[in-house]
Amino acid sequence: ETGVTQSPTHLIKTRGQQVTLRCSSQSGHNTVSWYQQALGQGPQFIFQYYREEENGRGNFPPRFSGLQFPNYSSELNVNALELDDSALYLCASSSLAGANSYNEQFFGPGTRLTVL
Amino acid sequence: RKEVEQDPGPFNVPEGATVAFNCTYSNSASQSFFWYRQDCRKEPKLLMSVYSSGNEDGRFTAQLNRASQYISLLIRDSKLSDSATYLCVVNLNTGRRALTFGSGTRLQVQP
Repeated sequence: ETGVTQSPTHLIKTRGQQVTLRCSSQSGHNTVSWYQQALGQGPQFIFQYYREEENGRGNFPPRFSGLQFPNYSSELNVNALELDDSALYLCASSSLAGANSYNEQFFGPGTRLTVL
Repeated sequence: RKEVEQDPGPFNVPEGATVAFNCTYSNSASQSFFWYRQDCRKEPKLLMSVYSSGNEDGRFTAQLNRASQYISLLIRDSKLSDSATYLCVVNLNTGRRALTFGSGTRLQVQP
């Protein structure tokens, strides 16, 4: 187990609704990244939070937003849900080190969102 | 063109077989390279990093060719437990640590 937890595990919403997904990072990690994985595809980067600030964003519209809290846990919010938002949402925690190093990202089990 | 391209498979192989997966990436500024494994309906997990000199971890061997922007994974003596989707992953190593994933190659090892 990675120590990264996500809630809820499954969620069903209808088009136009809003959803909040939660992630608790591994102890000692200060960075959380969110990914969207559609069926049959690899995960796609949504955004990353480092010490409560957004630290980069992928090609997702503004209705995808996030927060990171002082304890480094994080939320992903999606407004005005569309059918194509149905996917597995993964968060990954890591410890951001120097510019020339990479620290492994540990993934949580994901939240499976279905939009009807 | 996708940033990371993989053959989706599936690769159906018998136990004990050797199987190779390939992957190409489009951004020559990519700095770090990985293979992740993802079991059905589970999260991705790091299998191994990939270095220019090539590296081995037990039955798994990874190779990187920066000139051709090509990454490979070789699995020897396949086990039933190797059945999974293998994701080729690159990282630009900028200030953020966003990973760019391929769509994955599905492997089914049969008894």
